[in-house]
Amino acid sequence: DTEVTQTPKHLVMGMTNKKSLKCEQHMGHRAMYWYKQKAKKPPELMFVYSYEKLSINESVPSRFSPECPNSSLLNLHLHALQPEDSALYLCASSQTSGGTGELFFGEGSRLTVL
Amino acid sequence: GENVEQHPSTLSVQEGDSAVIKCTYSDSASNYFPWYKQELGKGPQLIIDIRSNVGEKKDQRIAVTLNKTAKHFSLHITETQPEDSAVYFCAASEVYNNDMRFGAGTRLTVKP
Repeated sequence: DTEVTQTPKHLVMGMTNKKSLKCEQHMGHRAMYWYKQKAKKPPELMFVYSYEKLSINESVPSRFSPECPNSSLLNLHLHALQPEDSALYLCASSQTSGGTGELFFGEGSRLTVL
Repeated sequence: GENVEQHPSTLSVQEGDSAVIKCTYSDSASNYFPWYKQELGKGPQLIIDIRSNVGEKKDQRIAVTLNKTAKHFSLHITETQPEDSAVYFCAASEVYNNDMRFGAGTRLTVKP
């Protein structure tokens, strides 16, 4: 079983809705990530938080707003999305020192924008 | 930034045969090369990884080789089984710089 938990597993929203994706890990990892994955494509990096501070933003549109309330939680707030934003959103975490650098992924939240 | 290329995009083998997937990377600063397996409806899971101070690593039926000079690394699966069918992604990064980039993926099908 994955140690990174994502909710909800499925989300359908209209273009005017506001919703949030949530991610939680209790492995003591201090780096957390959001990746976007379209069908038959690799995961694409969106945001990275390191020690609860945003360290990488891959020029993601402002309709995606990340938040890291504490070292265990990562949220992705969604507003005014477009149908092309429909995808699997993956959360991941990793150690920031020691260990191997492995990314631990959640099962993903499948988002459909109507 | 790092650019990772992966080949082939699809690979079909008979059960018991070997499968090889190849990747190249562009950034000489990259020193960590993981391989992830993604099954339908699930997130990617690490199956093996290698650091640039090692040329080869093996874990049962799975092995990874790295050629730093040529910036190539490969995944080798021997004695393939139907449960090996999945999409495999290679990736590269400078360990702990939090900027892991993935190859395009290889869909492996193992026919019984």
